[in-house]
Amino acid sequence: DQQVKQNSPSLSVQEGRISILNCDYTNSMFDYFLWYKKYPAEGPTFLISISSIKDKNEDGRFTVFLNKSAKHLSLHIVPSQPGDSAVYFCAYVQGGSEKLVFGKGTKLTVNP
Amino acid sequence: GAVVSQHPSRVICKSGTSVKIECRSLDFQATTMFWYRQFPKQSLMLMATSNEGSKATYEQGVEKDKFLINHASLTLSTLTVTSAHPEDSSFYICSARPTGNQPQHFGDGTRLSIL
Repeated sequence: DQQVKQNSPSLSVQEGRISILNCDYTNSMFDYFLWYKKYPAEGPTFLISISSIKDKNEDGRFTVFLNKSAKHLSLHIVPSQPGDSAVYFCAYVQGGSEKLVFGKGTKLTVNP
Repeated sequence: GAVVSQHPSRVICKSGTSVKIECRSLDFQATTMFWYRQFPKQSLMLMATSNEGSKATYEQGVEKDKFLINHASLTLSTLTVTSAHPEDSSFYICSARPTGNQPQHFGDGTRLSIL
């Protein structure tokens, strides 16, 4: 059973608009969530994280929201840029370990 | 920033061949490295945790005799896929976490294709 679900395999938005990437999870035993961005033929690169005690973390154009009651996480990118086009993975760190549990990813396409 | 280098980036070989993949942390020491595998349209799945100077810890369902891990130094871990078969074809990727409050950093992965 998937512990981290990214139900949208793809998302397409217009340059300058907001991109919202969603992630649902089932396991409440986590220390923090992370978002990674992946370009083709490259490894994932870390984007932003949020600890389990927060509900929002912001870094420039990227904001992550955590709704623990709904077990839902979202990444907002505003304004979106064509260079943001990539696959975005959400992942959490299991409580008490360094193990990352990943979702399947959402492919974001930002159109000029 | 922290850099993790993985080599080779792509391997194509015949069934029955053993393939070694290297993962290096270039500007930091890593007592722990992680090996993941990703099949098409699936998540990155943790295969094993590589521990410097001791045995690797394998996830449930991963054959330790099939996927040999060696972590002989603080900057190098290797994954050897022994007697590879077509079903082992996948994207293998390693990661390491620098000390301090930093996230895991990933290599660029190895695309393994077994004919």
